[in-house]
Amino acid sequence: GAVVSQHPSRVICKSGTSVKIECRSLDFQATTMFWYRQFPKKSLMLMATSNEGSKATYEQGVEKDKFLINHASLTLSTLTVTSAHPEDSSFYICSAMDGRGTGELFFGEGSRLTVL
Amino acid sequence: GENVEQHPSTLSVQEGDSAVIKCTYSDSASNYFPWYKQELGKRPQLIIDIRSNVGEKKDQRIAVTLNKTAKHFSLHITETQPEDSAVYFCAAHFGNEKLTFGTGTRLTIIP
Repeated sequence: GAVVSQHPSRVICKSGTSVKIECRSLDFQATTMFWYRQFPKKSLMLMATSNEGSKATYEQGVEKDKFLINHASLTLSTLTVTSAHPEDSSFYICSAMDGRGTGELFFGEGSRLTVL
Repeated sequence: GENVEQHPSTLSVQEGDSAVIKCTYSDSASNYFPWYKQELGKRPQLIIDIRSNVGEKKDQRIAVTLNKTAKHFSLHITETQPEDSAVYFCAAHFGNEKLTFGTGTRLTIIP
């Protein structure tokens, strides 16, 4: 199947700093990628849909100025958590479809963010 | 928007027995229903999926059934093994490629 790689897998930062998470499609081009957030023992919550070459579409309740998404190429989308606070600590996972039109989502490894 | 409900939230099954997880969805336009398995700290992995043009699909010990009229679908795992222990998520997909996930079921296989 298609491979999606996410980096970093773990990051610890101080409150007030910004953190960037990268999501790459390694063997296919992804015009659309999705960013999810997952709290411990909870489901995946869609934060935003990242569209190559255009603005991301954010879900209701997600602050676009807080979670900056850039999808500058067909293989890379980035999520930047700006001015991070402890409540932003979570597991962030990106995903993409491989363009075959099957609907199957391929997930990155996830990034665990801890804000001190 | 789409709403997906999943039950039960936790399930313990004796090794060798069957496990069933059920989901309901709200949007009748949904046409793709995948099931994901997620182990602790890992990414979700697709284990089986079904489209709205069929009622049942099977892959070895795993099967999924879909009732479009009632808008529910179920995951069936037979002859459960310890490695089946994980969190399972159902999802529903409609038109604009956005998947909506269920709340998850923590399955524990008791040796």
